[in-house]
Amino acid sequence: GAVVSQHPSWVICKSGTSVKIECRSLDFQATTMFWYRQFPKQSLMLMATSNEGSKATYEQGVEKDKFLINHASLTLSTLTVTSAHPEDSSFYICSADLRDRGDTQYFGPGTRLTVL
Amino acid sequence: GQQLNQSPQSMFIQEGEDVSMNCTSSSIFNTWLWYKQDPGEGPVLLIALYKAGELTSNGRLTAQFGITRKDSFLNISASIPSDVGIYFCAGQYGNKLVFGAGTILRVKS
Repeated sequence: GAVVSQHPSWVICKSGTSVKIECRSLDFQATTMFWYRQFPKQSLMLMATSNEGSKATYEQGVEKDKFLINHASLTLSTLTVTSAHPEDSSFYICSADLRDRGDTQYFGPGTRLTVL
Repeated sequence: GQQLNQSPQSMFIQEGEDVSMNCTSSSIFNTWLWYKQDPGEGPVLLIALYKAGELTSNGRLTAQFGITRKDSFLNISASIPSDVGIYFCAGQYGNKLVFGAGTILRVKS
């Protein structure tokens, strides 16, 4: 149990375009999902916390107009990187928390974004 | 902000050896978690610790939640080649996680 999927697993786009990444909890309902960014050889940095049916809460320094988050259902959250630039190239990972297990977070497999 | 100090940064050990890594913090956490990340993949939960002083095992892995709630260690016994990867500790406050910098484990067969 506690499987989280992401789609796509990788994406290459041109500078200035927008990219949408999906995060799904497959076998449980997740009231809260999280979005992280990981640069090469670095740790995971929390970008935002997403609650179903409400606006996401962004960490300091993360532009909410650039990284649009929608959490329309208990099993799906989306991250849209708008007007992507090469510096947005990174590994984006989502997680969902399982409330019955002390809010333990289970992570998706990640999405590699490369902006040309 | 809250920070975790994870050590060692990397390890290169012989197959069959035991491995130990730890995390410390100046902040108190409610939960400590240990994750493993393989290249190009998301972190996979290894062990979750919910109570100060708790000692938990998962196969060859053993982890403890420090009594002060400011530290945790992870031991891997009798390492095998598939143990290679990056190990992250994470401290939880509320429903948020803060991660250590990771320990890169390389195993010589």
